[in-house]
Amino acid sequence: DAGITQSPRHKVTETGTPVTLRCHQTENHRYMYWYRQDPGHGLRLIHYSYGVKDTDKGEVSDGYSVSRSKTEDFLLTLESATSSQTSVYFCAISEGGKRGALNEQFFGPGTRLTVL
Amino acid sequence: GQQLNQSPQSMFIQEGEDVSMNCTSSSIFNTWLWYKQDPGEGPVLLIALYKAGELTSNGRLTAQFGITRKDSFLNISASIPSDVGIYFCAGHYGGGSNYKLTFGKGTLLTVNP
Repeated sequence: DAGITQSPRHKVTETGTPVTLRCHQTENHRYMYWYRQDPGHGLRLIHYSYGVKDTDKGEVSDGYSVSRSKTEDFLLTLESATSSQTSVYFCAISEGGKRGALNEQFFGPGTRLTVL
Repeated sequence: GQQLNQSPQSMFIQEGEDVSMNCTSSSIFNTWLWYKQDPGEGPVLLIALYKAGELTSNGRLTAQFGITRKDSFLNISASIPSDVGIYFCAGHYGGGSNYKLTFGKGTLLTVNP
């Protein structure tokens, strides 16, 4: 199994509060991703990182920010949580590359976030 | 943008039956990946395909990279109860510096013992 951990695994928070989710990897992979998973929508990319301090937006980035100060850690922040951000959040990693095995993404166990 | 259509959305089968599911894309891909997700867990990579026409097996699972590069198929033979879960396809184009995957919405498989 790829060495990916996410914390916390479960969180309940109130609308308007800030929330930070952490992804930690021990694989030294260059690329890290944050997805959210919702019924009927599958996995949707929020943000991704292609190196330390290098990040870019995915398809559902509004209301989210990310930071990557070390290779092993990728943080997802909800500045002011809303009920529409209730979801299961997954972190993934990959070595990154044009083709082949470098594109394989490996997922963490997920964080279930509930915003009341 | 690129889209993946995965079908069927759900399947309910008897233990021992074979299963087939597929993904089609509006664009070509250079890599196809198949994942399985168990309840409460993250997706796990089952099979990766890198070449058009490629056929790859992993135990009772067999996946194929379509010749047109716009589709992929996953077959599960002699299903067992632990095959229950959601199966996702994902594709990667590989153009430029885009290392992102496009995911299908998943096929929910239920196996009746």
